[in-house]
Amino acid sequence: DTVLTQSPALAVSPGERVSISCRASEGVNSYMHWYQQKPGQQPKLLIYKASNLASGVPARFSGSGSGTDFTLTIDPVEADDTATYFCQQSWNDPFTFGSGTKLEIK
Amino acid sequence: QVQLQQSGAELVKPGSSVKISCKASGYTFTSYDMHWIKQQPGNGLEWIGWIYPGNGNTKYNQKFNGKATLTADKSSSTAYMQLSSLTSEDSAVYFCARGEIRGTLDYWGQGVMVTVSS
Repeated sequence: DTVLTQSPALAVSPGERVSISCRASEGVNSYMHWYQQKPGQQPKLLIYKASNLASGVPARFSGSGSGTDFTLTIDPVEADDTATYFCQQSWNDPFTFGSGTKLEIK
Repeated sequence: QVQLQQSGAELVKPGSSVKISCKASGYTFTSYDMHWIKQQPGNGLEWIGWIYPGNGNTKYNQKFNGKATLTADKSSSTAYMQLSSLTSEDSAVYFCARGEIRGTLDYWGQGVMVTVSS
């Protein structure tokens, strides 16, 4: 299976820029997607196919990367962005998710 | 607006089966895959598989072969997942999610907590 590696946690102040990385154990073309999950809620799609902003998602969120290295950037960060962020690949079978990066806003 | 409404929490005994549902509205049910995802407490997300309600085709994560069975009822726009031979390892929250461009999960249900306990 394709393993997706994310940093476990980050802490930033409001107004700063934060980048969350996701590294795949093998190439996933551009089929990397990013989700935000707040406690007790379902995940919400933020970015699809590496760099495309999902409908209704603020332009503060952006994605980049291809192959095996991908980044989700939030600029500027707001207090409401406190959540866990997951990457997911849908190029290789089975689809897999990263273990999530917990973002704390100081 | 697209909505996926899942059934309520389940408390089931080890060795039994459970069937959970996901009722779709706001879009053409037969035109999109429906995916199922497992999330254990404090853990990440595991993809179980998908069903295409238009023709009933399914694709499973090999890990869940024999554990999960996906079905869909076009008349009620409802997708189902049955989990069998339940053990404590199956205790988790299970989400349904609509599949867009090759595995992009653009809308999610609210999740169903399944607890396996005697």
